[in-house]
Amino acid sequence: ETGVTQTPRHLVMGMTNKKSLKCEQHLGHNAMYWYKQSAKKPLELMFVYSLEERVENNSVPSRFSPECPNSSHLFLHLHTLQPEDSALYLCASSPDAGPGTEAFFGQGTRLTVV
Amino acid sequence: AQSVAQPEDQVNVAEGNPLTVKCTYSVSGNPYLFWYVQYPNRGLQFLLKYITGDNLVKGSYGFEAEFNKSQTSFHLKKPSALVSDSALYFCAVRDRDQAGTALIFGKGTTLSVSS
Repeated sequence: ETGVTQTPRHLVMGMTNKKSLKCEQHLGHNAMYWYKQSAKKPLELMFVYSLEERVENNSVPSRFSPECPNSSHLFLHLHTLQPEDSALYLCASSPDAGPGTEAFFGQGTRLTVV
Repeated sequence: AQSVAQPEDQVNVAEGNPLTVKCTYSVSGNPYLFWYVQYPNRGLQFLLKYITGDNLVKGSYGFEAEFNKSQTSFHLKKPSALVSDSALYFCAVRDRDQAGTALIFGKGTTLSVSS
């Protein structure tokens, strides 16, 4: 495995629920990312954190709220989601946010909004 | 703006035959290029990357890719395909001249290797 762990692996939630996705890495990396993967579409970058500070936010709806309490943990808080938000949410980390470093991905959380 | 194009949704090859998965990119500066593979119900796994130096890059599981600046391409290749290579392959790019940006991915190409 890559050293990036995501929980839960599967999540079903109603549109009025509040839930959180968790990502954890103990690779000593300083940058962490959230991506959304929908069928037949490119991976969509959602958020980038470098040294616990958000450095990129790609026009993501406010119903998605990230939190990076330390360099090893990243959360994605979800509330009042829509069915079209159903997707695989991938967390990744890299040693830094520099352009030449590859990212290591978790296995993802399969989210279904009903 | 950065972008990646993978023109084929699916590539089908017979086991033992060579395979090519195509990727073209667009960046304003110089690129760093990556290939990832995703097996069913798994996250993405890093295969190889081009940073600088030789245009032919060798990676995991016998895969290689050739950087072609004039054609802005970074096609993934393998001389002899295995059934176990069947998976979803993603090409990704970063602009070398822009710090603090994350990888931008193509939509993926499904490789199917038949026995």
